[in-house]
Amino acid sequence: KAGVTQTPRYLIKTRGQQVTLSCSPISGHRSVSWYQQTPGQGLQFLFEYFSETQRNKGNFPGRFSGRQFSNSRSEMNVSTLELGDSALYLCASSRGGPGTGELFFGEGSRLTVL
Amino acid sequence: LAKTTQPISMDSYEGQEVNITCSHNNIATNDYITWYQQFPSQGPRFIIQGYKTKVTNEVASLFIPADRKSSTLSLPRVSLSDTAVYYCLVVLLDTNAGKSTFGDGTTLTVKP
Repeated sequence: KAGVTQTPRYLIKTRGQQVTLSCSPISGHRSVSWYQQTPGQGLQFLFEYFSETQRNKGNFPGRFSGRQFSNSRSEMNVSTLELGDSALYLCASSRGGPGTGELFFGEGSRLTVL
Repeated sequence: LAKTTQPISMDSYEGQEVNITCSHNNIATNDYITWYQQFPSQGPRFIIQGYKTKVTNEVASLFIPADRKSSTLSLPRVSLSDTAVYYCLVVLLDTNAGKSTFGDGTTLTVKP
């Protein structure tokens, strides 16, 4: 069974640009959540999607957005990049229904903003 | 979601048993305790989950006292490859599985 796949694994952008990251969940999983990890702030929740609907949202500015497609694949977008957006962006999938506490994480997309 | 508190770091030696304790004083009735392991530049990996008393799987044991305000992850006979960051989370096993609040984690260093 394939795991969670994130693309691209590494990318470099400059301030002001925008970036789109992609996540393919484990087959059959309907929930996809996104996290930002930085040395200073640790792992922070961005948002969660379930059946194409955003179900939860963390405390991030509107420059951070996401969506989920009918096949459960998800994308997140960051517009007007800032230096502080440099981080490892992690996607996690789960079955999404009651009783599903285990998150399966991908290896992440490491974004560097210059 | 309940806030968790765990030691920032721990050192151990190969072959020893390691116990990492996490406090979660505001845990709610429907919350479960979950532990994850993370290696550098990788996503966290689920280790174990429990509600009360004791849970054991092939890699770890989880001890939860009756008041559930704390929990202890026990790693038997650690090896160098167990050097990682360990996160304790309190998760509502309903619809919020995706909104897990990760604390600072405990950096475990296993020495030869």
